[in-house]
Amino acid sequence: KQEVTQIPAALSVPEGENLVLNCSFTDSAIYNLQWFRQDPGKGLTSLLLIQSSQREQTSGRLNASLDKSSGRSTLYIAASQPGDSATYLCAVKYIQAGTALIFGKGTTLSVSS
Amino acid sequence: GAVVSQHPSRVICKSGTSVKIECRSLDFQATTMFWYRQFPKQSLMLMATSNEGSKATYEQGVEKDKFLINHASLTLSTLTVTSAHPEDSSFYICSARPRDRGIDTQYFGPGTRLTVL
Repeated sequence: KQEVTQIPAALSVPEGENLVLNCSFTDSAIYNLQWFRQDPGKGLTSLLLIQSSQREQTSGRLNASLDKSSGRSTLYIAASQPGDSATYLCAVKYIQAGTALIFGKGTTLSVSS
Repeated sequence: GAVVSQHPSRVICKSGTSVKIECRSLDFQATTMFWYRQFPKQSLMLMATSNEGSKATYEQGVEKDKFLINHASLTLSTLTVTSAHPEDSSFYICSARPRDRGIDTQYFGPGTRLTVL
């Protein structure tokens, strides 16, 4: 079964810390992997999209890596800020799943000032 | 930026009634719209994919007669939960794929919280 797992489920850090969110997937046959941010009462915002042929993507303080062979991705957030508090979702487009994005349950991040 | 709206944002209804949720792409045309469901502390699960002017494609385990999807225009898709029951209470999120962007681009709506009493 094609699944996506995110660890930890929740994370609390003080402002300024660098942190890593983890995502694992069960099948290396993927088109791509995306990281999203979900804020309460708002829609999902795409943060980074990594194609199957890529190893990492960067946007500002965010860096996402992809290791297909081990079925892992990490989202690195540098110098965290209270505004980074949200739920971060990892989603994989498996080749055998067609157009469907398979989501993890998310990591809820809280950054205290 | 591309905006997707959903209406209503929250709805409470009695068991046995039908509820319609609208998903609109406000500033772009969407050839494809997706409907997801998210239970508390669970993953978003794709329910169905709809293309403008054609019948929706439902994921395995999703009852097409219970969750009616209409995608009548390039900016509007509706999800109707028919004869809703308490177990249908969930967070329903739509997303829209712009017609002039790659297949990996989806813009998500803010979601609709459905509570069935």
